[in-house]
Amino acid sequence: ETGVTQTPRHLVMGMTNKKSLKCEQHLGHNAMYWYKQSAKKPLELMFVYSLEERVENNSVPSRFSPECPNSSHLFLHLHTLQPEDSALYLCASSSTQIAGTNEQFFGPGTRLTVL
Amino acid sequence: QQQVKQSPQSLIVQKGGISIINCAYENTAFDYFPWYQQFPGKGPALLIAIRPDVSEKKEGRFTISFNKSAKQFSLHIMDSQPGDSATYFCAASMNSGGYQKVTFGTGTKLQVIP
Repeated sequence: ETGVTQTPRHLVMGMTNKKSLKCEQHLGHNAMYWYKQSAKKPLELMFVYSLEERVENNSVPSRFSPECPNSSHLFLHLHTLQPEDSALYLCASSSTQIAGTNEQFFGPGTRLTVL
Repeated sequence: QQQVKQSPQSLIVQKGGISIINCAYENTAFDYFPWYQQFPGKGPALLIAIRPDVSEKKEGRFTISFNKSAKQFSLHIMDSQPGDSATYFCAASMNSGGYQKVTFGTGTKLQVIP
């Protein structure tokens, strides 16, 4: 596997379910991000982990809970979601250690539908 | 002040034509301006990027024009091809506490017709 992978690619869940999204990066990066992509809206930054420490939480509801056990893995735990949470959830990674490198590498996303 | 405004929302261009997408920003602390390309079912991928000390950057058929005083930048796709049909996002970023804080535009859906 290369780049940034995400599983599952598609997820349908009820409002009372608990599920987790997984992201893995194979690029040796030290920062990882969760974004929410909804139709006709800019990508919304949800969480950032730098060196496995959460450095940003953009007023995301507590029904979304991130976890970063190491620099290669990132999870988003979901519980009691609402239908408006249906969206494409994107994971990205970047390196903070290479001067002049600003690029974020994105995974293919998880398409989440909340019924 | 963190917003990046992008236009048009959608664009239809004939094959061989020029596609132009415009963006504007407010925050002068941004120091990196990337354009991302996203195909259906895929995540965004970096297409081309520019820093504010440069007014133009060209990579193949893709050119970024940057106007620092007007706080505007644009993407030009020359000789547009059907394979260029995708959604394009402009963005502006800055280093924030050891990571890149990126603000994205709303996206432009480009369709290149044969």
